Amino acid sequence: DTEVTQTPKHLVMGMTNKKSLKCEQHMGHRAMYWYKQKAKKPPELMFVYSYEKLSINESVPSRFSPECPNSSLLNLHLHALQPEDSALYLCASSQTGTGAYNEQFFGPGTRLTVL
Amino acid sequence: GENVEQHPSTLSVQEGDSAVIKCTYSDSASNYFPWYKQELGKRPQLIIDIRSNVGEKKDQRIAVTLNKTAKHFSLHITETQPEDSAVYFCAASKTGRRALTFGSGTRLQVQP
Repeated sequence: DTEVTQTPKHLVMGMTNKKSLKCEQHMGHRAMYWYKQKAKKPPELMFVYSYEKLSINESVPSRFSPECPNSSLLNLHLHALQPEDSALYLCASSQTGTGAYNEQFFGPGTRLTVL
Repeated sequence: GENVEQHPSTLSVQEGDSAVIKCTYSDSASNYFPWYKQELGKRPQLIIDIRSNVGEKKDQRIAVTLNKTAKHFSLHITETQPEDSAVYFCAASKTGRRALTFGSGTRLQVQP
């Protein structure tokens, strides 16, 4: 399996809801990433997990809570989001989080709409 | 932190012509420079990358050049085809921090 998968593809939620995004890879990669992409903008890094440990948090608001239960799975828990959080949320993975020359492979993304 | 600037923001070429997209980076420690193609509604897909120990890399119609002294790298697409139409992002990262810093993107349109 050479793909990163993400579920759901689309998500609509209210500002009081709690929801989770899921990302999975079976390439043996030990680094996984969450990026946020607004329309016509580049992806912006949110979190990096390296060997199942959080290594980078780009000052993301606490209403976004990442979790890495194992080396293949990455979750993003959402709570009390704002309409400006509506975006495409991309997951990516690479062989390691710090080594040289690690290609990152992206999942198809979850398109999130916050009402 | 790293800052990556990308130009032009839009580029329109005739089918068969060449297209060149340029990026500059600020962190001299950056040593890995991938290029991603993103079609509308799709994921970014890695199309080519270059490491800092190499000055040029080619893969069929796509080539990337790197000038470490100037902190500048470019994507060259020859014999463009309509299916090359997409948004292209350059990016940079370094050993010890593999998270990518992206350029602002170039929307390439290839006119048939």
